[in-house]
Amino acid sequence: KNQVEQSPQSLIILEGKNCTLQCNYTVSPFSNLRWYKQDTGRGPVSLTIMTFSENTKSNGRYTATLDADTKQSSLHITASQLSDSASYICVVRWRGSGYALNFGKGTSLLVTP
Amino acid sequence: DSGVTQTPKHLITATGQRVTLRCSPRSGDLSVYWYQQSLDQGLQFLIQYYNGEERAKGNILERFSAQQFPDLHSELNLSSLELGDSALYFCASNQHSTGRGDTDTQYFGPGTRLTVL
Repeated sequence: KNQVEQSPQSLIILEGKNCTLQCNYTVSPFSNLRWYKQDTGRGPVSLTIMTFSENTKSNGRYTATLDADTKQSSLHITASQLSDSASYICVVRWRGSGYALNFGKGTSLLVTP
Repeated sequence: DSGVTQTPKHLITATGQRVTLRCSPRSGDLSVYWYQQSLDQGLQFLIQYYNGEERAKGNILERFSAQQFPDLHSELNLSSLELGDSALYFCASNQHSTGRGDTDTQYFGPGTRLTVL
């Protein structure tokens, strides 16, 4: 069964610190992996999208990495800001017929002053 | 602002009732996706429409149905509502159908919060 597991489930860090969120998946064959940021009560917003041939992709202070061999991805947030407080969702697309996006349950990040 | 609009923002109804959620995609987007997000479940894909036709189905209950109209707006109909149907329902849109534009980003609306009492 295609699965996406994220860790940690929740994380609290001080403003200005860095953090790394993890995503492990079993989806195969793999097409692409996306990271979304979801503020409480709002729709998710795309941060990065990577295909199997990409190892890293940045979007400002957000850097995603992908190891397609070990089926692992990480999202690194640099110099965190209070506005980074949100849920971060890893989504892996299956390369198959039909629609097959597999969603992680997300990591809830709280950045405190 | 993603450009995707959803109405209503909040909906409170009773068990056994039927409701309709509405979504207008971004201008030019042909695909509409519906998602359910419960507190402990994360985002669950329900159904996708592309240019008026059903393109893919996910974990959508038989009590739920959707359609996409010629002007590309979409409606999600939920009937015989149960307490467990209480959730945030999101609509997303993009330009591509399944199998094309693998890296195409989906743009999410603000969601409709459904509370079934």
